[in-house]
Amino acid sequence: QVQLLQSGAEVKKPGASVKVSCKASGYTFTRYYMHWVRQAPGQGPEWMGIINPSSGVRTYAQKFQGRVTMTRDTSASTVYMELSSLTFEDTAVYYCARDLDIVEGPAAHFFEYWGQGTLVTVSS
Amino acid sequence: DMVMTQSPATLSVSPGERATLSCRASQSVNLNLAWYQQKPGQAPSLLIYGASTRAAGIPARFSGSGSGTEFTLTISSLQSEDFAVYYCQQYYNWPSFGQGTKLEIK
Repeated sequence: QVQLLQSGAEVKKPGASVKVSCKASGYTFTRYYMHWVRQAPGQGPEWMGIINPSSGVRTYAQKFQGRVTMTRDTSASTVYMELSSLTFEDTAVYYCARDLDIVEGPAAHFFEYWGQGTLVTVSS
Repeated sequence: DMVMTQSPATLSVSPGERATLSCRASQSVNLNLAWYQQKPGQAPSLLIYGASTRAAGIPARFSGSGSGTEFTLTISSLQSEDFAVYYCQQYYNWPSFGQGTKLEIK
């Protein structure tokens, strides 16, 4: 069965960076787009961007341009999301989420499978 | 930016009754609308996409309708496990979510 296993909780100081990993199993890693979505406490989810695990091509939400980097390691079936210049407003649960569609066509941009989430707390 | 507005913020319904949740888009999204259920401490779970297509394994008591800017999620006969927060999400443009409707036991 499809599983997305994320790295553990992080506590960071303002101005620091955080890198979250998401290891996929139960399907062919390079066949499906992967997204990152975050959810601040008591808020709705917020889309951060998408990566094609086969080509490495990524697109970021405008809000995070210049601060977010999404990468992948195909040998480890893992995608990564690094967010820099953290502020208190970046405190949230960060999720990887697999797209419905395969990379041979356009992404569906909705999310069939989700990781368990990684809590990132920004605190001084 | 596409803004998704959900109403009501909280809905109190008795088990066995029908629940109707609304979602409005700030501009037309055609049928590019998904619904998710989220329980405390868990990731969201896909219920509906294409405004009305149930995701795999979703019971028939969940149904979606609407197009353009107005959408509805209906749960025909509430079970105890259905009490959760529900989010709509458009994917006509870059994805955006509503702020959620909390469905609570009356």
